[in-house]
Amino acid sequence: NAGVTQTPKFQVLKTGQSMTLQCAQDMNHEYMSWYRQDPGMGLRLIHYSVGAGITDQGEVPNGYNVSRSTTEDFPLRLLSAAPSQTSVYFCASSYGTGDGYTFGSGTRLTVV
Amino acid sequence: AQSVTQLGSHVSVSEGALVLLRCNYSSSVPPYLFWYVQYPNQGLQLLLKYTTGATLVKGINGFEAEFKKSETSFHLTKPSAHMSDAAEYFCAVSEGVSGGSNYKLTFGKGTLLTGKP
Repeated sequence: NAGVTQTPKFQVLKTGQSMTLQCAQDMNHEYMSWYRQDPGMGLRLIHYSVGAGITDQGEVPNGYNVSRSTTEDFPLRLLSAAPSQTSVYFCASSYGTGDGYTFGSGTRLTVV
Repeated sequence: AQSVTQLGSHVSVSEGALVLLRCNYSSSVPPYLFWYVQYPNQGLQLLLKYTTGATLVKGINGFEAEFKKSETSFHLTKPSAHMSDAAEYFCAVSEGVSGGSNYKLTFGKGTLLTGKP
């Protein structure tokens, strides 16, 4: 069982470039979320989805876009990268409510 | 709205000593509460959770936590620290089953646990 798979693990972007962070889960979880982790800030919710075709904004959505065309995949798009988006990004999935989320291993993104 | 406060961004303990990591939360509805651990350069791993029922919950690696509604707390403890426990620990809250946003986790800022030489 692969769990939650994130690609790539590392990425360097130039300011203004766009890219997509990939996230896939094989546990048939309905709930999926994207978080960013910055030193001293904990994890902050960017976008989330409660099922295929349904997405919504979290705490820090500006500059990011998501879609959920299948249960398995939940890609995160950076529209025009900025240095402030340098961070570690985590994708997570869950059956919901009390089950807790399963996290991927993260993507470390640097924007120069 | 919900929030989590972890008291102490860094805790240092000697091997064999008690580990106590503090977490206080606020939630407008009965919460679900979680502790996660993150080892260097890895993702987050669920240590334990409280949803309903017994307020003392046991998790992996000898950790446990007690939900105290009157104190809005969910402190994490381990009777005897081991050097392999060095990691960052995150407390998180979501609205319980009666909440409208029970799929969203709100995290504290984390507590780094290190070994005292």
